[in-house]
Amino acid sequence: QQQVKQSPQSLIVQKGGISIINCAYENTAFDYFPWYQQFPGKGPALLIAIRPDVSEKKEGRFTISFNKSAKQFSLHIMDSQPGDSATYFCAATDSWGKLQFGAGTQVVVTP
Amino acid sequence: NAGVTQTPKFQVLKTGQSMTLQCAQDMNHNSMYWYRQDPGMGLRLIYYSASEGTTDKGEVPNGYNVSRLNKREFSLRLESAAPSQTSVYFCASSENRLYQETQYFGPGTRLLVL
Repeated sequence: QQQVKQSPQSLIVQKGGISIINCAYENTAFDYFPWYQQFPGKGPALLIAIRPDVSEKKEGRFTISFNKSAKQFSLHIMDSQPGDSATYFCAATDSWGKLQFGAGTQVVVTP
Repeated sequence: NAGVTQTPKFQVLKTGQSMTLQCAQDMNHNSMYWYRQDPGMGLRLIYYSASEGTTDKGEVPNGYNVSRLNKREFSLRLESAAPSQTSVYFCASSENRLYQETQYFGPGTRLLVL
């Protein structure tokens, strides 16, 4: 079973809107939470990552929010642009473990 | 600097046929990985190689074998392909075996098993 649960499966947002993708995990040993972005026909690429010692990390229009007590983390895409249309994967790992990926969210930004 | 390259890009196999997927990286990374990507399943680790000369099973190793040919190359072999192995296969590499390092992915191989 997937150790990282991701929702929604897909979302459509208008240009300029906010895209929000949520992930939840059970393994309290996880201590590194990256997000990967994948464009059609390409391999995934690291977008942004967070460790649980901070509650939020921002890079440009992308923000990760982390709630350690709830074992949840989310990706916010502010001012969404058509170029942000892609599939986004959350992931988690402990210090020596393997990356556990969520199922992915397909984001479509309409003009 | 091509990063991670994979060949072939597409392949159609009949059930029972064998094939090898090739992967090479030019970033002098120590660790390499093979994943498969299926709709609604995310990416699942098949095998990985923490360093040259070592390989270990991942989450879904059944039906696959790997070879770490040298530091640059890591191949995935399907000995007797099955329709359940229809998938998109990604190779990735990272600087070393610590999984908290960024993994760099290749463009993928799309495999259809009839």
